[in-house]
Amino acid sequence: ETGVTQTPRHLVMGMTNKKSLKCEQHLGHNAMYWYKQSAKKPLELMFVYSLEERVENNSVPSRFSPECPNSSHLFLHLHTLQPEDSALYLCASSRDRAETQYFGPGTRLLVL
Amino acid sequence: KQEVTQIPAALSVPEGENLVLNCSFTDSAIYNLQWFRQDPGKGLTSLLLIQSSQREQTSGRLNASLDKSSGRSTLYIAASQPGDSATYLCAPGTGTASKLTFGTGTRLQVTL
Repeated sequence: ETGVTQTPRHLVMGMTNKKSLKCEQHLGHNAMYWYKQSAKKPLELMFVYSLEERVENNSVPSRFSPECPNSSHLFLHLHTLQPEDSALYLCASSRDRAETQYFGPGTRLLVL
Repeated sequence: KQEVTQIPAALSVPEGENLVLNCSFTDSAIYNLQWFRQDPGKGLTSLLLIQSSQREQTSGRLNASLDKSSGRSTLYIAASQPGDSATYLCAPGTGTASKLTFGTGTRLQVTL
């Protein structure tokens, strides 16, 4: 256990659905991250939040919408996704932006 | 744009061997570099973090070195065990948000 939890662990959704992924960290960290891991491709950074402010948006399509209501919680809101968005979505946190990142177990998403 | 290459892509060794995993990156202006392991279908576990001012870090049987100017890092695993079987990922951090860029990893299998 790394102190970072993600729910749900698995999600199947249709292209017209709206769903949200949740990440929670119990480490007192100030920075939180969303990553996408597709089959056969390197992990890609999607968003970075530091002290609840978005500091990085890595050219992610608008159908992915992050939300960080406080330093312990991070959400990824999903709407009108495409089948190619099927992937493992990983959340991470770190004490500050230049420090060790601790990852959650991920949400495996399948878009039909 | 940072690009990360990890060699070899896959490696199978008998238990007890010492081994070296290689990582190279194109942009040497990094804050730090992290090594992670990932078990199948799981999140990432941080192994070592090397700051850009450091040459190496050690944790138990693991030793990571960093040659920032040449854009290289190596992860040395001593006396390998079957429990070391996993994919090992190298991720240099750049930019003010300490953006991690990942390679595709080295898939290690340690056999009895």
